[in-house]
Amino acid sequence: QAVVTQEPSFSVSPGGTVTLTCGLSSGSVSTNYYPSWCQQTPGQAPRTLIYNTNTRSSGVPDRFSGSVLGNKAALTITGAQADDESDYYCVLYMGSGISVFGGGTKLTVL
Amino acid sequence: QLQLQESGPGLVKPSETLSLTCTVSDGSISSSTYHWGWIRQPPGKGLEFIGNIYYSGSTYYNPSLKSRVTISVDTSKNQFSLKLSSVTAADTAVYYCASRRYFDSSGYHYYFQYWGQGTLVTVSS
Repeated sequence: QAVVTQEPSFSVSPGGTVTLTCGLSSGSVSTNYYPSWCQQTPGQAPRTLIYNTNTRSSGVPDRFSGSVLGNKAALTITGAQADDESDYYCVLYMGSGISVFGGGTKLTVL
Repeated sequence: QLQLQESGPGLVKPSETLSLTCTVSDGSISSSTYHWGWIRQPPGKGLEFIGNIYYSGSTYYNPSLKSRVTISVDTSKNQFSLKLSSVTAADTAVYYCASRRYFDSSGYHYYFQYWGQGTLVTVSS
């Protein structure tokens, strides 16, 4: 089974911009994998921020955006805020009904 | 919007079968828009897809768990269930049920739109 790779951790200053990426151990991520991004704060269930590469879920601030950059999916936060400090998970659809989660990126805002 | 709620024992003995149920409210489990799925998260670790079921009964399982997993649906109760056999301490996790949006008038999607709050299952004697 393919491994979905993410940076284990990232740090951004308040008001800054950060781009988290999502790759595959073998091959390139494209829109055909229907990349989505989930945000999880401690003790809470995840929530999906971005789906189908770049569509924001209802209620998600427009400082969150998704894209494919080169051979990876990307989540960009523009103007990071303190409450963006969370774990972020990439999810790829691998076909045959199977979704695979990345290992997650722990984002620190300081 | 859909509401999902997990239920089941919080403690399971090693080698036994873990059984959880997810009750769906404010929507029908017979909807063609969703797959109904289970995801787990061991303490301090990341999320892992376990499997999904469609209202028709079609199932899709994580290959690494396939030999031990059964997901079923009960449309009369608006519920779907997870059974994981031969559990070990490595199966200790928060188990989430979720609806994966599959298809609608705007096309295919494949993202987890609604989540339950999660339930901690501990495997221990």
